[in-house]
Amino acid sequence: DAKTTQPPSMDCAEGRAANLPCNHSTISGNEYVYWYRQIHSQGPQYIIHGLKNNETNEMASLIITEDRKSSTLILPHATLRDTAVYYCIVTLTGANSKLTFGKGITLSVRP
Amino acid sequence: GAVVSQHPSRVICKSGTSVKIECRSLDFQATTMFWYRQFPKQSLMLMATSNEGSKATYEQGVEKDKFLINHASLTLSTLTVTSAHPEDSSFYICSARDRITANTEAFFGQGTRLTVV
Repeated sequence: DAKTTQPPSMDCAEGRAANLPCNHSTISGNEYVYWYRQIHSQGPQYIIHGLKNNETNEMASLIITEDRKSSTLILPHATLRDTAVYYCIVTLTGANSKLTFGKGITLSVRP
Repeated sequence: GAVVSQHPSRVICKSGTSVKIECRSLDFQATTMFWYRQFPKQSLMLMATSNEGSKATYEQGVEKDKFLINHASLTLSTLTVTSAHPEDSSFYICSARDRITANTEAFFGQGTRLTVV
């Protein structure tokens, strides 16, 4: 699986958009970009994933650059409950595809 | 949405004893489940891939005789930590994908906090 690089931490104000960057310059053509988050002492929670088109769901938006070497997860209106470690993972899909977690980015949402 | 349930959520055991952790997919079937371990302030580390009806595949450095994995059905995988020692104290997490809609997300259990005293 391609490796990802994320800054170690960032913060944002409650109610504002949180833009979390991820670099994956060695991504291959059939690898997807997945985002998960982990709130303290819980299992990871799926957020969103995409291949090359931008994606949006009820939780977030995923913007993938045209060359697919980087992406941004956008939480449109961050709340205190969004404080967590966010992991950007590049992987193949399929039942046997494993997720390899890097260090992630710690997002702190301040009141 | 699909749910993966782990049991127990917390367990304390004495050094030298064995502990079994269960991972169940509640509303889908999974031919493959994954077991992770997470130490404090560290990321999740994949330990092994559990395959229904066959032997598990262990990551490099993970002792297969210490961490026994059984995946006897399409909805249940178990991890047994044998002869546990204090250094095995960790947060153990399982995950699984629906074998039918495999090109979607992996679902994670809520984790099991193991403390060996």
